[in-house]
Amino acid sequence: DIQMTQSPASLSASLEEIVTITCQASQDIGNWLAWYQQKPGKSPQLLIYGATSLADGVPSRFSGSRSGTQYSLKISRLQVEDPGIYYCLQGYSAPPTFGGGTKLELK
Amino acid sequence: EVQLQESGPGLVKPSQSLSLTCSVTGYSITSNYWGWIRKFPGNKMEWMGYISYSGSTSYNPSLKSRISITRDTSKNQFFLQLNSVTTEDTATYYCARRYGGYRAFDYWGQGVMVTVSS
Repeated sequence: DIQMTQSPASLSASLEEIVTITCQASQDIGNWLAWYQQKPGKSPQLLIYGATSLADGVPSRFSGSRSGTQYSLKISRLQVEDPGIYYCLQGYSAPPTFGGGTKLELK
Repeated sequence: EVQLQESGPGLVKPSQSLSLTCSVTGYSITSNYWGWIRKFPGNKMEWMGYISYSGSTSYNPSLKSRISITRDTSKNQFFLQLNSVTTEDTATYYCARRYGGYRAFDYWGQGVMVTVSS
């Protein structure tokens, strides 16, 4: 299985701050990487697919990038509604595997 | 609008089978892929398997021969059966659509928490 190592495991940031979360793939997965946000009691919401494409309805302050086998999710200006748990998911090969999650809180 | 809704018992005894239903509205399950994902206490997420538009299935090897995903196209529903459950199967179970073009799950149900306990 492809391992997705996500960091940091937790993060505390202030409003309007820039936040970056990363996932390192254990092998090449091309651009088959998605990012999700999950709020308490809710199902995960797709933010980014294809490593860099913004899903419908997602604010433009979210963006995704790739450098080799490292993938990043950036929130350009943290807003009050952004805290939650963020996950990456590789869809390159079966079984699809998730990162361990990043718990983002407001400072 | 695509909507998914899980249903099934919230409590299952060890060694028994866990059975869940995912009812889909707004989109036919004869297109794309339809999967089950679970989230364990402590936030780890695991893809369990999916059934395709044609009815073929793919399962996580970690679940070996315990899992079965089937469907009823006339009701636009698909089903999860997980046999011989243990307390390690306690989790929130989600059904979701896997959009082939993204290779990502774009629509999710609200989730159902299943506890395995005697």
